[in-house]
Amino acid sequence: QLQLQESGPGLVKPSETLSLTCTVSGGSISSSSYYWGWIRQPPGKGLEWIGSIYYSGSTYYNPSLKSRVTISVDTSKNQFSLKLSSVTAADTAVYYCAVRFTGYNWFDPWGQGTLVTVSS
Amino acid sequence: QSVLTQPPSVSGAPGQRVTISCTGSSSNIGAGYDVHWYQQLPGTAPKLLIYGNSNRPSGVPDRFSGSKSGTSASLAITGLQAEDEADYYCQSYDSSLSGFWVFGGGTKLTVL
Repeated sequence: QLQLQESGPGLVKPSETLSLTCTVSGGSISSSSYYWGWIRQPPGKGLEWIGSIYYSGSTYYNPSLKSRVTISVDTSKNQFSLKLSSVTAADTAVYYCAVRFTGYNWFDPWGQGTLVTVSS
Repeated sequence: QSVLTQPPSVSGAPGQRVTISCTGSSSNIGAGYDVHWYQQLPGTAPKLLIYGNSNRPSGVPDRFSGSKSGTSASLAITGLQAEDEADYYCQSYDSSLSGFWVFGGGTKLTVL
């Protein structure tokens, strides 16, 4: 059974780059069965899809964030990562990694989430 | 502003039935893309509740049901229980520039 776990700094300074990693267990990140994604939730607000990556390296980004987002895969560590550049306070959120099975449009399972605060 | 529109809150007494609506447009729900629902208990990650408009993953009680018609979808909860108090989100796919995978703004369910 797939399990995901986010990790990374909980505090990032404005204008810097937010970097998070999602470690996958119970399945291979190189499998053609999955798309690996990031979703965020600002405090007290709703969910926003950030982007997804396929094992081949193909990426799909939210147009509103595309200029600042990079998602990559590290097959040797069975991990995928998120980088969000030039962050502001508006990027403060709980960041979740989640799985989307190939051919389907829902996300399941999700990681437990990690809070990232942007503040000086 | 979310691409899919949900009421901010709904409430009901234990044992009652409540519904949560999710309204989209011709580029997402109206284009035929499926709607999925998530339940988010306080302080936890969202959990898949309904997929493909009306299907329940293993372990989800049959008190939860989903439907879709036109540009809208609905989540119904019957026999309301205190443990159902949570935030509920709908999600679909959007073929415009809205961002591919889109969510509703969420609905807070209060069990009175």
